Amino acid sequence: AAGVIQSPRHLIKEKRETATLKCYPIPRHDTVYWYQQGPGQDPQFLISFYEKMQSDKGSIPDRFSAQQFSDYHSELNMSSLELGDSALYFCASSSGTITGELFFGEGSRLTVL
Amino acid sequence: GNSVTQMEGPVTLSEEAFLTINCTYTATGYPSLFWYVQYPGEGLQLLLKATKADDKGSNKGFEATYRKETTSFHLEKGSVQVSDSAVYFCALSDSQGAQKLVFGQGTRLTINP
Repeated sequence: AAGVIQSPRHLIKEKRETATLKCYPIPRHDTVYWYQQGPGQDPQFLISFYEKMQSDKGSIPDRFSAQQFSDYHSELNMSSLELGDSALYFCASSSGTITGELFFGEGSRLTVL
Repeated sequence: GNSVTQMEGPVTLSEEAFLTINCTYTATGYPSLFWYVQYPGEGLQLLLKATKADDKGSNKGFEATYRKETTSFHLEKGSVQVSDSAVYFCALSDSQGAQKLVFGQGTRLTINP
């Protein structure tokens, strides 16, 4: 069965650079979520989109932005990267009909040097 | 706000031992409760869930019962295997329709042969 696809899987950037992460949800899933998981930490909710509109916002820094496109894929844009942005970024999708049953991708690991 | 508290890890057990990982929550209303598992280098996978009080979720020998009176959702398995070694996250979803998950801090489980 198709799963949530994230790219790239690994990314290395310098401080103050920009990074873009992509997420392709499970087909027919209309909601996408972004989470940030620091080393040894629990995943922290960043932002979500439903039907291409922002549906909820969590602890996403102002330096970050995201959007969901007409094909439901989503991109997380991160600018002015800081060392503290080094983390595993997870995307999850859901169909909007089953509360809380999120399907997660394998994550994109961002390392900021 | 909603929150989840898990027993602190790491937890190390011998194969075939009995496992309990405690999870308690604070929430308004009636959230759904979940256990997610994260194997090394992989994304989060839904292990089991319960959507209302006294529901029991079960999967792969793991069980957890939604206890509203004690606001708990403890994870149990009668006989663990080396392949169960992973990080386990307890999570809840908002009862007001928002699907984003709030995670506990995770418990790292290591099973020795």
